[in-house]
Amino acid sequence: AQKITQTQPGMFVQEKEAVTLDCTYDTSDPSYGLFWYKQPSSGEMIFLIYQGSYDQQNATEGRYSLNFQKARKSANLVISASQLGDSAMYFCAMREGLDPTYGGSQGNLIFGKGTKLSVKP
Amino acid sequence: DAGVTQSPTHLIKTRGQQVTLRCSPISGHKSVSWYQQVLGQGPQFIFQYYEKEERGRGNFPDRFSARQFPNYSSELNVNALLLGDSALYLCASSSARRGYGYTFGSGTRLTVV
Repeated sequence: AQKITQTQPGMFVQEKEAVTLDCTYDTSDPSYGLFWYKQPSSGEMIFLIYQGSYDQQNATEGRYSLNFQKARKSANLVISASQLGDSAMYFCAMREGLDPTYGGSQGNLIFGKGTKLSVKP
Repeated sequence: DAGVTQSPTHLIKTRGQQVTLRCSPISGHKSVSWYQQVLGQGPQFIFQYYEKEERGRGNFPDRFSARQFPNYSSELNVNALLLGDSALYLCASSSARRGYGYTFGSGTRLTVV
């Protein structure tokens, strides 16, 4: 079974509008972390935002926010005020196990297949 | 501070050959992970090393091997290359900082012909 599911292969958004990229996950581990990365055509994976499974509040980083619904096992990325430079592939990823700052190991990331976001002028 | 650096950036090899990819982590990061990203897919975990010891291995054949050096840099080796090994190989280094531990390099794009 897929551990990370991104159901939108491609998305279009008008410049300056908000867009939501979907991500659902599957794990039986009570401790996990959820990540969103942006990958432009250059190939580098750029970290955007992180949500820990025990975090009470949704994570925010500038124009990025994570809509974390634990019971539904979803971790959607919301980008506000889209810019042309936001056009890229976006990947949702999960690390199972305790966060390293709480004594857990680093663990590996499990990625979804990604969503290609295109921002229209 | 320099980010994660990978070399070479591009590489073309022939089937059956061997290849070595290199990664230098961010200064102070002791953990290095390798991922393979084939076209149209998300990255897949290959190896993780911490303090020169293998801490995790993904579902890849024994043709794939890696090691970490005392300065925490790492090499990924792939023997007996197959066409299906053509991919972007990403290296990530990590510290113990909460949530921000995984920083990726720009990758090595390997083409097997």
